[in-house]
Amino acid sequence: SQTIHQWPATLVQPVGSPLSLECTVEGTSNPNLYWYRQAAGRGLQLLFYSVGIGQISSEVPQNLSASRPQDRQFILSSKKLLLSDSGFYLCAWSVLSIQYFGAGTRLSVL
Amino acid sequence: ILNVEQSPQSLHVQEGDSTNFTCSFPSSNFYALHWYRWETAKSPEALFVMTLNGDEKKKGRISATLNTKEGYSYLYIKGSQPEDSATYLCALYPRNSNYQLIWGAGTKLIIKP
Repeated sequence: SQTIHQWPATLVQPVGSPLSLECTVEGTSNPNLYWYRQAAGRGLQLLFYSVGIGQISSEVPQNLSASRPQDRQFILSSKKLLLSDSGFYLCAWSVLSIQYFGAGTRLSVL
Repeated sequence: ILNVEQSPQSLHVQEGDSTNFTCSFPSSNFYALHWYRWETAKSPEALFVMTLNGDEKKKGRISATLNTKEGYSYLYIKGSQPEDSATYLCALYPRNSNYQLIWGAGTKLIIKP
């Protein structure tokens, strides 16, 4: 069966520090991968998605970037965090249209 | 541009009562409509996927219908229980998708004991 791992679960970082959130998927090959942020009052905001290794599409211009160094690994990064980057981040995978989500990371930038 | 509207934004329901809420969309130019349940401190989980006008899906006390001609889907919960408290998200899988879903803002359901 397929599983998705996302870590860390919570993270507190100072403004200006770098960020690296990691997501890995097991039990499937060549999944589509997604990074979302929970937007207040607006449900899920898609940040990045990837249909293959090295293929990243960005939906929202921002202080974040994503990379897919391996088929089942998706990384969300920032060189310098802003206060506005605080929020709840979710990784997800899909093969057809249904998306399966990780447990999420609560990021607090102070 | 396909847009997904969900109403109401939040809903308080007495335990034991039945309830329903709406997902509306301006165009039927999509492959599928999804409903997800997002419980607090957990991840969103898919409830239903519907593709055809008139589709009805059921899982226990929860059911959903799809009307593509009039542009809405209803989610029904019969005999609400505290464990039904969650945010219910509707999403469309458009025909020109690039593997993305278009998400509604969700309906937050709170069941009062």
